[in-house]
Amino acid sequence: KTQVEQSPQSLVVRQGENCVLQCNYSVTPDNHLRWFKQDTGKGLVSLTVLVHENDKTSNGRYSATLDKDAKHSTLHITATLLDDTATYICVVGDRGSALGRLHFGAGTQLIVIP
Amino acid sequence: EAAVTQSPRSKVAVTGGKVTLSCHQTNNHDYMYWYRQDTGHGLRLIHYSYVADSTEKGDIPDGYKASRPSQENFSLILELASLSQTAVYFCASSDPFNSGNTLYFGEGSRLIVV
Repeated sequence: KTQVEQSPQSLVVRQGENCVLQCNYSVTPDNHLRWFKQDTGKGLVSLTVLVHENDKTSNGRYSATLDKDAKHSTLHITATLLDDTATYICVVGDRGSALGRLHFGAGTQLIVIP
Repeated sequence: EAAVTQSPRSKVAVTGGKVTLSCHQTNNHDYMYWYRQDTGHGLRLIHYSYVADSTEKGDIPDGYKASRPSQENFSLILELASLSQTAVYFCASSDPFNSGNTLYFGEGSRLIVV
């Protein structure tokens, strides 16, 4: 059973618009959650990591929240650019060490159009 | 900057043939991983290694072998390639005890088995 669910599966926005990507998970324990960006034909690049209950992070136009009680995270992208076109992947780690397992979502495909 | 390079970037293999995917990292990381990515699914861990000359099974090791001859190099071996092994394969490295256990990914190796 998939333990990390992302929505929407795909999303089309116009350049300059804001968008919100969702991640719901059932991983237990949930030590940390990380968002990755994957450009087409490329590897995954880490955007941000959230660790604590009600954590909020900001990385330029990307901001993220984590609600551990609800096992839910959001990734906000403001003022989207064409280069934001990519797949965004939510990953939940069940431990804070190398002994832990990473649980990957299937990703949200974001397409930014002019 | 952290770097993980994979080769080949793409390959077409015949069913029953042997395939070797190679990965080289210059991050001085002890941990290296092989994942496969299938459309509509999250990445799944095949094998990993935390020290040279030793490998560990991940979540889906059947049909795959791994080799870690040095800290920098980690190979994934398909002795008898099958149609179901058509996928994109990603290598990653990490330093769990530093840099927030961030995974650094290669750009992927697309394998098509015919």
